[in-house]
Amino acid sequence: GAGVSQSPSNKVTEKGKDVELRCDPISGHTALYWYRQSLGQGLEFLIYFQGNSAPDKSGLPSDRFSAERTGGSVSTLTIQRTQQEDSAVYLCASSRNNSPLHFGNGTRLTVT
Amino acid sequence: AQKVTQAQTEISVVEKEDVTLDCVYETRDTTYYLFWYKQPPSGELVFLIRRNSFDEQNEISGRYSWNFQKSTSSFNFTITASQVVDSAVYFCALIPRGGKLIFGQGTELSVKP
Repeated sequence: GAGVSQSPSNKVTEKGKDVELRCDPISGHTALYWYRQSLGQGLEFLIYFQGNSAPDKSGLPSDRFSAERTGGSVSTLTIQRTQQEDSAVYLCASSRNNSPLHFGNGTRLTVT
Repeated sequence: AQKVTQAQTEISVVEKEDVTLDCVYETRDTTYYLFWYKQPPSGELVFLIRRNSFDEQNEISGRYSWNFQKSTSSFNFTITASQVVDSAVYFCALIPRGGKLIFGQGTELSVKP
């Protein structure tokens, strides 16, 4: 069956460029999360969308980071003027209510 | 404030040993859910278990068991007779009702042959 799909799976970009990461959640899942995982580190919460409510952006590390979710489905995480410390795996997850999160395989971002 | 603490950063055991991964949580909500996820070296996050705050029954699934104790705000995970394939990072997580999922920092388990 269709799971959470993230694209691209890998992205290499030059410092200072903007990047867009895409997440296609499981159909019907109202909750969508973005997390970041640096090498050997835990899961850092970035942003959380729940239905039509205002997103919880409390985890975004700077104003260079933004995310939107169109039509309650696809989400895009945008990082402007990328820095080397932005290099990480960006994970998207979706769920229905309080059911377990289903994670995508992540986008590995490398900023050179 | 909501918080999940996994005090053990790394654990190393020899195959066939039993191992317990600790998880302590904080929340003011009376309704919440607790989870364990496994992240093997391949990187994908695998759901293991969900418990709600009203169900303190311990659960066993094969070699895995979970001990949920509200009195100590703990949700510990035990692997019996560990195997090399159990080597992974294990994350405990909490979601209060209507809130967002919060992860602990993870415990890296290494099972040596």
